[in-house]
Amino acid sequence: EAGVAQSPRYKIIEKRQSVAFWCNPISGHATLYWYQQILGQGPKLLIQFQNNGVVDDSQLPKDRFSAERLKGVDSTLKIQPAKLEDSAVYLCASSQDRTFYGYTFGSGTRLTVV
Amino acid sequence: KNEVEQSPQNLTAQEGEFITINCSYSVGISALHWLQQHPGGGIVSLFMLSSGKKKHGRLIATINIQEKHSSLHITASHPRDSAVYICAVRGETSGSRLTFGEGTQLTVNP
Repeated sequence: EAGVAQSPRYKIIEKRQSVAFWCNPISGHATLYWYQQILGQGPKLLIQFQNNGVVDDSQLPKDRFSAERLKGVDSTLKIQPAKLEDSAVYLCASSQDRTFYGYTFGSGTRLTVV
Repeated sequence: KNEVEQSPQNLTAQEGEFITINCSYSVGISALHWLQQHPGGGIVSLFMLSSGKKKHGRLIATINIQEKHSSLHITASHPRDSAVYICAVRGETSGSRLTFGEGTQLTVNP
């Protein structure tokens, strides 16, 4: 079974630029999560989708972060404009349903904002 | 104080040693996960627990719901076990959101 695919693996941008990350979950997984993991900390949930609807985006900084999952499959996370404190690993995960059955993380995108 | 606390933060062991990583949480939960994160960043789900004990190979996870505590044990540790181990809980009232501990960096020396 293919895992959760993310791209790019690494990205370096200057502050105030914009950036987008892509995630393709495991086939058939209805629930998709985006996490932000700052160095030395555990992941923090940014947004959770159930199919193409948002379940939880309470911790998403909506003034600069946006995410979509238009067809209920793959998803993009965008930051515009980026700040230095956005430097982190952005992890995508998916599960079959909200009970986390089959919960699987992608390898993440490491973002460095300079 | 974080809702999920792990100890120790860093752990160095010799190959073959028995290892224990602890996780304490302060909220009512419906499930607890133990995750393994390797240096490349990929995270693997090791266990999902809501009660009792689970075993997979050399890994054992236990949870005590009354004491709000879980432990991850590694028997006969090996250098390839070196990774960050993260405890995450799903709160009773947080829908399906996971709250993560800050992780325990384990290094097993040959």
